[in-house]
Amino acid sequence: KAGVTQTPRYLIKTRGQQVTLSCSPISGHRSVSWYQQTPGQGLQFLFEYFSETQRNKGNFPGRFSGRQFSNSRSEMNVSTLELGDSALYLCASSLGQVRQETQYFGPGTRLLVL
Amino acid sequence: GQQLNQSPQSMFIQEGEDVSMNCTSSSIFNTWLWYKQDPGEGPVLLIALYKAGELTSNGRLTAQFGITRKDSFLNISASIPSDVGIYFCAGPRSQGNLIFGKGTKLSVKP
Repeated sequence: KAGVTQTPRYLIKTRGQQVTLSCSPISGHRSVSWYQQTPGQGLQFLFEYFSETQRNKGNFPGRFSGRQFSNSRSEMNVSTLELGDSALYLCASSLGQVRQETQYFGPGTRLLVL
Repeated sequence: GQQLNQSPQSMFIQEGEDVSMNCTSSSIFNTWLWYKQDPGEGPVLLIALYKAGELTSNGRLTAQFGITRKDSFLNISASIPSDVGIYFCAGPRSQGNLIFGKGTKLSVKP
């Protein structure tokens, strides 16, 4: 069974631009969660999507948004990029049937904002 | 809010040594997860624990779910060079999203 895939793996953007990251969950998984990882803050939860609906949201500004498609693939968008948005963005998938299920992570997208 | 305190922050290992790390919380968790992350990659699930007192092994890795449900331990026996990386403990909040410890970085002794 293929794992979670994320594209692109690396991105360089400049301040003020926007960026869209993509995540394809494990086949059969309907929940996709997004996390931001930085050296200072560690791994922090952004949001979770299940059946095309945002089910849970972390404490990030509205510049961070996401969506999920009918095939469970998910995208996250960051608008008006700031230097502090440089991070590894990880998505994780789970079956989504029960809260607190085990989540499986993709390799991440490394975003550098200049 | 909920926080996971992971220790030690870093440690150096020599091949063949046993390694121990732990994770504590001020809140109760119903599930404890241990992940390993290699540079430039996402965390990989090593062991999942679902019951207080549970002891689970995965090869040379053994993890325990503390009886108080506020802590968990991970042991690596007879370490090998490929064990280097960052180990994270994680627990799910009631809404389902994971919170993570800051990680324990394993490096090889120079």
